[in-house]
Amino acid sequence: QKEVEQNSGPLSVPEGAIASLNCTYSDRGSQSFFWYRQYSGKSPELIMSIYSNGDKEDGRFTAQLNKASQYVSLLIRDSQPSDSATYLCASSGAGSYQLTFGKGTKLSVIP
Amino acid sequence: GAGVSQTPSNKVTEKGKYVELRCDPISGHTALYWYRQSLGQGPEFLIYFQGTGAADDSGLPNDRFFAVRPEGSVSTLKIQRTERGDSAVYLCASSIGQGPGELFFGEGSRLTVL
Repeated sequence: QKEVEQNSGPLSVPEGAIASLNCTYSDRGSQSFFWYRQYSGKSPELIMSIYSNGDKEDGRFTAQLNKASQYVSLLIRDSQPSDSATYLCASSGAGSYQLTFGKGTKLSVIP
Repeated sequence: GAGVSQTPSNKVTEKGKYVELRCDPISGHTALYWYRQSLGQGPEFLIYFQGTGAADDSGLPNDRFFAVRPEGSVSTLKIQRTERGDSAVYLCASSIGQGPGELFFGEGSRLTVL
């Protein structure tokens, strides 16, 4: 059974701080990793994808992947109240178009 | 609009009834997915279409669930003999088909089975 684990939170950070969201996955064959943001009552939207070990930066967002530790993280710098949402981590295996999602971490950025 | 469109946005039905949920993907997107999301959970994969064919239907929970995409664009998810446990938000997503995860989701169809 492929699993993606996330701390459900809520994770509260003050405005301007760095928010750190973490995710572990059970399937060593997983090749691709994604972070989706989901506002309450809305659908998920992709914010980052990462395919190889190391860091990938896009604006205020940095995704980190460590395949040896089966660990993925998302850092949000200069957190804003508008970043308050649930962040879903997802993975897929080689040749597969299925995504396995975690339950999500709820982030609250306090003004 | 240019996004993924799903109808109905809300559907309330009685146990045992038949339900159809429709998805109109982004124009030009060849890949179409159905996921369902229960409260407090992440989306759960149901089925993936590449063009008209179901390339992977391993997530369909049982034979009461069926999906079609006859012309390679609009898709319909069909649920027979609905059960209370089918209550969830059914999410449709599309992509250009170049990879597994860069999905554009619709706003979902919330199904409530009484």
